[in-house]
Amino acid sequence: DTGVSQDPRHKITKRGQNVTFRCDPISEHNRLYWYRQTLGQGPEFLTYFQNEAQLEKSRLLSDRFSAERPKGSFSTLEIQRTEQGDSAMYLCASSTNRVEQYFGPGTRLTVT
Amino acid sequence: AQSVAQPEDQVNVAEGNPLTVKCTYSVSGNPYLFWYVQYPNRGLQFLLKYITGDNLVKGSYGFEAEFNKSQTSFHLKKPSALVSDSALYFCAVRVPQGGSEKLVFGKGTKLTVNP
Repeated sequence: DTGVSQDPRHKITKRGQNVTFRCDPISEHNRLYWYRQTLGQGPEFLTYFQNEAQLEKSRLLSDRFSAERPKGSFSTLEIQRTEQGDSAMYLCASSTNRVEQYFGPGTRLTVT
Repeated sequence: AQSVAQPEDQVNVAEGNPLTVKCTYSVSGNPYLFWYVQYPNRGLQFLLKYITGDNLVKGSYGFEAEFNKSQTSFHLKKPSALVSDSALYFCAVRVPQGGSEKLVFGKGTKLTVNP
């Protein structure tokens, strides 16, 4: 396994700009998850895909957030009109039917 | 609503001593329980899980955890701590009934092992 990869690792943007993050799961993992982690907190669930279907979304995922997994492989998370409160680490994880989720290194977003 | 509590923000132990990192949970239903470790500037690494069966589960790097249903706890343990165990530890719960796959995490416990 090459592990879950995320790109970019760091992103600095100005308030009001749009940003997009990419996640490549472990190959053959059909489940993909997005979480957000702020300083001093544990990760908070955002959304979950099984193959290309988005099956679960958190209330944290406001209208400015959208996630896709068009071919059931990589996924993108877009944040429109970023706000300072969006500054966080965005974590991606993948899984098979074995239950445990394997996390990538995260994308650290700073909104100035 | 599901919740996880890690009552200690920080745990300090001496190298070679046993360590315990505490976790309690509140769920409706039968939970799946997990421990993850996070090193600085790195993602979370899976340590171990409890789904069913033996209440004592063994995981990576010599860690183990004991599921206690009556006390709704899932404490992480290691018989002999290493300096390299110093990191941030997260407990997480998932309630599979209803089809949800989300993990709910505690706030984390910073473990420092002193040489």
